[in-house]
Amino acid sequence: GENVEQHPSTLSVQEGDSAVIKCTYSDSASNYFPWYKQELGKGPQLIIDIRSNVGEKKDQRIAVTLNKTAKHFSLHITETQPEDSAVYFCAASGKGNFGNEKLTFGTGTRLTIIP
Amino acid sequence: DSGVTQTPKHLITATGQRVTLRCSPRSGDLSVYWYQQSLDQGLQFLIQYYNGEERAKGNILERFSAQQFPDLHSELNLSSLELGDSALYFCASSVRWDENTEAFFGQGTRLTVV
Repeated sequence: GENVEQHPSTLSVQEGDSAVIKCTYSDSASNYFPWYKQELGKGPQLIIDIRSNVGEKKDQRIAVTLNKTAKHFSLHITETQPEDSAVYFCAASGKGNFGNEKLTFGTGTRLTIIP
Repeated sequence: DSGVTQTPKHLITATGQRVTLRCSPRSGDLSVYWYQQSLDQGLQFLIQYYNGEERAKGNILERFSAQQFPDLHSELNLSSLELGDSALYFCASSVRWDENTEAFFGQGTRLTVV
């Protein structure tokens, strides 16, 4: 099955600087890669996603890049703000017997923005 | 607000007991997923339903079971509870079951087994 590795596990960034979180996946058939943000006491919130026919996607201060050949994808947050502090999860979804059977998640990155 | 509703938010129960967690998916979503989040294990996939039918199983214990009802809400039943079952249980829903479908999570149920 799919295996997703995520690095780093913790990341501290000065407010205003950029943060980058990287993930690798194992199943070359995976073709949907969402990123979730989880704040304390809340459920994971979908913040951006990318599909395999696209190499990069941006949404304001957030961008995701995908390298299918190398099987890795990254989340970039620019001009970080205190409210960006949270745990971020990457995930990969491949085609199983019935299609999108599940999302396989990385182990999470705790991002702390230092004011 | 994702539109996925989970109840209860918190549950405290004793070892050996049985509990039922409930999930109402977003309006129009036919697929429901259950995940377990423990402190040291991230988000672990348990089971998926689509339009009432089981679609995929993950690392779900035999003591756990789930179902999706005709009105599309889902219940996760946990029995013979052990201390190690203490975790956050999340439900997510999506419109379809294919690989390009966005999944939205509820706020979770925090289960504490004492």
